Amino acid sequence: AQSVTQLGSHVSVSEGALVLLRCNYSSSVPPYLFWYVQYPNQGLQLLLKYTTGATLVKGINGFEAEFKKSETSFHLTKPSAHMSDAAEYFCAVTNNNAGNMLTFGGGTRLMVKP
Amino acid sequence: KAGVTQTPRYLIKTRGQQVTLSCSPISGHRSVSWYQQTPGQGLQFLFEYFSETQRNKGNFPGRFSGRQFSNSRSEMNVSTLELGDSALYLCASSPRATGNPVLGYTFGSGTRLTVV
Repeated sequence: AQSVTQLGSHVSVSEGALVLLRCNYSSSVPPYLFWYVQYPNQGLQLLLKYTTGATLVKGINGFEAEFKKSETSFHLTKPSAHMSDAAEYFCAVTNNNAGNMLTFGGGTRLMVKP
Repeated sequence: KAGVTQTPRYLIKTRGQQVTLSCSPISGHRSVSWYQQTPGQGLQFLFEYFSETQRNKGNFPGRFSGRQFSNSRSEMNVSTLELGDSALYLCASSPRATGNPVLGYTFGSGTRLTVV
């Protein structure tokens, strides 16, 4: 069984401020973790993923995430927010027992204030 | 390389009708998964097809069905539509059958279904 919890359905930051979106997961076996971004009326775009190896993962658009097994977390960060980062962000988990089934968190809507 | 193509982009149907949505995966990808996205329930897994076989199914009623063709294109069908079926339906393609998803999953832009 697997599950994802994203703390905070809405996060608001000022332009230039640190972005921190929280994701905690549950998985009975080693997880594979993903962050996706969704802009209005569009599909999901992959930001970054953790499969194996280095626990600090760098993605597109300056985002990065760190896999912390002891905390079962995979939080997404970006040092400096841009207006174009305003979107909805989804954390997802799968594992070798789940086939290609992704389990998503509820999403976090990021708002960026000028 | 072309991405995942979903057609149509928008669809309006009447309660009780049926609907068929199409998904063409990235060339060479053999796995297609379908997800339903609603404001209330979020993103929920519907089913996955690999090499024309359904390998995994989410917790949806039998009104939701799908299939995959030999060229990996997939269709999903919803019969006897209900108002609650209004949603964005997303498909994702992957090259892998199992194991480490190094290449991840690529999503299409979705089909927005409105049931009136």
